[in-house]
Amino acid sequence: DTGVSQDPRHKITKRGQNVTFRCDPISEHNRLYWYRQTLGQGPEFLTYFQNEAQLEKSRLLSDRFSAERPKGSFSTLEIQRTEQGDSAMYLCASSPPTGYGANVLTFGAGSRLTVL
Amino acid sequence: AQTVTQSQPEMSVQEAETVTLSCTYDTSESDYYLFWYKQPPSRQMILVIRQEAYKQQNATENRFSVNFQKAAKSFSLKISDSQLGDAAMYFCAYHADSSYKLIFGSGTRLLVRP
Repeated sequence: DTGVSQDPRHKITKRGQNVTFRCDPISEHNRLYWYRQTLGQGPEFLTYFQNEAQLEKSRLLSDRFSAERPKGSFSTLEIQRTEQGDSAMYLCASSPPTGYGANVLTFGAGSRLTVL
Repeated sequence: AQTVTQSQPEMSVQEAETVTLSCTYDTSESDYYLFWYKQPPSRQMILVIRQEAYKQQNATENRFSVNFQKAAKSFSLKISDSQLGDAAMYFCAYHADSSYKLIFGSGTRLLVRP
């Protein structure tokens, strides 16, 4: 397994456009997380999936943001009507279901969004 | 609300020397975990070390060790024999057993001088 994969690595878009990011977690990990990181700051939690169920959402996740994990494998994060304030690195992470590593997150390299 | 504070935006250390990064947190939970993650420039975040709050013994991983002071809600990271490859952003993070989310501090940039 090659770890957590995110695509695209960098997306430049114009204000008002929609963008979608994809995350492929480690195959045996049933827990998946999305975080947002702005320059010089620590990552901020956006949402959490256990299998296909979205169990927790941050209030940071406005109505323009939607995340899915339809079959409990890959996940997508869509941002509609992008704003310049959405410019950030979007990080995906996954962790195994139980045991010592259940809360040890493996992060992907991130998808950097630039909104012009 | 739980918060994590890293008061040192940047630290510098001479290669082969020891450096300590500070972290404090605030929580009313009794069951939680603390972490240090490393984020090298343009590379993904990786786990450095993990500490369970119920364990009194400080965690160690090779050159990395922590000083966990539960009563003071302090969780510092000591890096011994610093190497050039240790240069990165270091994030302190907190996870409560009652939640799914990891809460991060704002990070400390570590510079290693050759």
